[in-house]
Amino acid sequence: DVKVTQSSRYLVKRTGEKVFLECVQDMDHENMFWYRQDPGLGLRLIYFSYDVKMKEKGDIPEGYSVSREKKERFSLILESASTNQTSMYLCASSSSSLGQFFGPGTRLTVL
Amino acid sequence: AQSVTQPDIHITVSEGASLELRCNYSYGATPYLFWYVQSPGQGLQLLLKYFSGDTLVQGIKGFEAEFKRSQSSFNLRKPSVHWSDAAEYFCAVGGDGNKLVFGAGTILRVKS
Repeated sequence: DVKVTQSSRYLVKRTGEKVFLECVQDMDHENMFWYRQDPGLGLRLIYFSYDVKMKEKGDIPEGYSVSREKKERFSLILESASTNQTSMYLCASSSSSLGQFFGPGTRLTVL
Repeated sequence: AQSVTQPDIHITVSEGASLELRCNYSYGATPYLFWYVQSPGQGLQLLLKYFSGDTLVQGIKGFEAEFKRSQSSFNLRKPSVHWSDAAEYFCAVGGDGNKLVFGAGTILRVKS
């Protein structure tokens, strides 16, 4: 089975802090994605990557950056966390037409 | 532009009753379509997917979905709902199954 793991299930940070969310997949998938999920808005794509060291902006990239130094790992970075970034963050990976496989999510609270 | 509409925010059904969750999409070419389920506090689990061929697809947990090109729909069905099916359900569309656009979700409540 595909396994996608995220470094933390719950995280509490203060406004202005730099925040790192880590995602690792074990199925050698080329594609990895970061979403945020908010009630009533579904999943919104922040960034995605089709290859190592490659990244593309999704629909809501403002305030975020990403890093993909190794194929299995895709990091989401909040350079200076703000309260409006309090959300559930979901990582996913995919290969060809199999669909996306999701991690358990990180619920981030910014105080 | 791609988009997915799930018209029902909440649906409540009795245990043992049949279920249909609606999904309408907008996409310029032949779509790849997916249904995911999310239990509270968890990530999304893939229920089923449609790429081509038979328009009625079977998934896990007894779910099925029917692709209707003329109606731009991909509705999810289950003949008899169990209490454990209570969750949020997301429909998604994409060009190759990689980059997807998700609907806002439908929350299913099951009453005993």
